[in-house]
Amino acid sequence: DGGITQSPKYLFRKEGQNVTLSCEQNLNHDAMYWYRQDPGQGLRLIYYSQIVNDFQKGDIAEGYSVSREKKESFPLTVTSAQKNPTAFYLCASSKAGISEKLFFGSGTQLSVL
Amino acid sequence: AQSVTQLDSHVSVSEGTPVLLRCNYSSSYSPSLFWYVQHPNKGLQLLLKYTSAATLVKGINGFEAEFKKSETSFHLTKPSAHMSDAAEYFCVVSQANFNKFYFGSGTKLNVKP
Repeated sequence: DGGITQSPKYLFRKEGQNVTLSCEQNLNHDAMYWYRQDPGQGLRLIYYSQIVNDFQKGDIAEGYSVSREKKESFPLTVTSAQKNPTAFYLCASSKAGISEKLFFGSGTQLSVL
Repeated sequence: AQSVTQLDSHVSVSEGTPVLLRCNYSSSYSPSLFWYVQHPNKGLQLLLKYTSAATLVKGINGFEAEFKKSETSFHLTKPSAHMSDAAEYFCVVSQANFNKFYFGSGTKLNVKP
């Protein structure tokens, strides 16, 4: 079945550590996105990518980095510069074009030890 | 610029009674509008979308929404709530020139027996 796979489901980060969240899709979608979800704040866009080898910062990109070396994969690294990383992270993808709906993964809960 | 305001952070209804979740948007372009639902600790699922066709949009699970340009609103309704409708609901507007999505802060729907 086609879909988006995020791993791990739960992740713990130590102070000063970088961690990477995985996102893989087999929907053949061109666009991929990373969102951060905090209680009462909805989803905020971290990074997005419309095509391979290209990505743009979203509204809260500081302290995060991404790569898009393959169409299927869009990993997110939470760096030590992100001082408040505890949140639920959601990866999404969509077809190219206007008004195409988002398909979401099941999310990764990141916590700080 | 695009933005979304969900007017209620929490809504509580009794099973079998109507549901109304309110959403107002602002957009510099003709918007595309969506409602997504999120069950606890899960990804998001599309309920319905509006893309400048009929102003009354029918979605899954008996939900519908009406686009009112004069009021810049896109409220979500359901005639009769079911216990399984208890979840968080997000109103989303997309930017016309490329796939960038702006989420509201969410409305948590509680359904009482």
